[in-house]
Amino acid sequence: AQSVTQLGSHVSVSEGALVLLRCNYSSSVPPYLFWYVQYPNQGLQLLLKYTTGATLVKGINGFEAEFKKSETSFHLTKPSAHMSDAAEYFCAVSDLNSGGSNYKLTFGKGTLLTVNP
Amino acid sequence: DGGITQSPKYLFRKEGQNVTLSCEQNLNHDAMYWYRQDPGQGLRLIYYSQIVNDFQKGDIAEGYSVSREKKESFPLTVTSAQKNPTAFYLCATARGNTEAFFGQGTRLTVV
Repeated sequence: AQSVTQLGSHVSVSEGALVLLRCNYSSSVPPYLFWYVQYPNQGLQLLLKYTTGATLVKGINGFEAEFKKSETSFHLTKPSAHMSDAAEYFCAVSDLNSGGSNYKLTFGKGTLLTVNP
Repeated sequence: DGGITQSPKYLFRKEGQNVTLSCEQNLNHDAMYWYRQDPGQGLRLIYYSQIVNDFQKGDIAEGYSVSREKKESFPLTVTSAQKNPTAFYLCATARGNTEAFFGQGTRLTVV
């Protein structure tokens, strides 16, 4: 069964500093990978996704992530944090369920990003 | 205007009651999902459906039920068997294995 591990439930950075949010996954087949952002009391918004092709993917708001198959990782980065980046971030993996009949989307527990002035 | 509509936004349930959360979409997506969100727990999958009249249990299906009679609709019933229903519930849709789109959520509170 697929699983997603996000290292660090809470990450705090200074404004202008590098943001690095870690995500590792387990999947029996090459998965599709996603990062989502959630602001308080709202739904989730897609930041970026990896399906096939280039392993470095760029998303909205200056975020990017690199798929590393050998490390089963999909870490999210942003060179310079902005106050508006403060939110909760979720990594997710999509692949076939155990019956092989349906796609199942599994999320990590989330990382709360705090940006200090 | 395309999107996913969850209603109500806030819902209060008395102990022992069943309540139904609505999720409607006009994106023409085949797949629909229900997730439960608790602080520090991330999103946990309750039920999902890829086609009409078919759905699968997720990781925490006990105490919940769903139906998929129409492509556009995937209501979730929280039954009295769910002992700790207070949470934020999110509905999502997807087309095949592409990214999921989320509604704005329903916050359920037991009173």
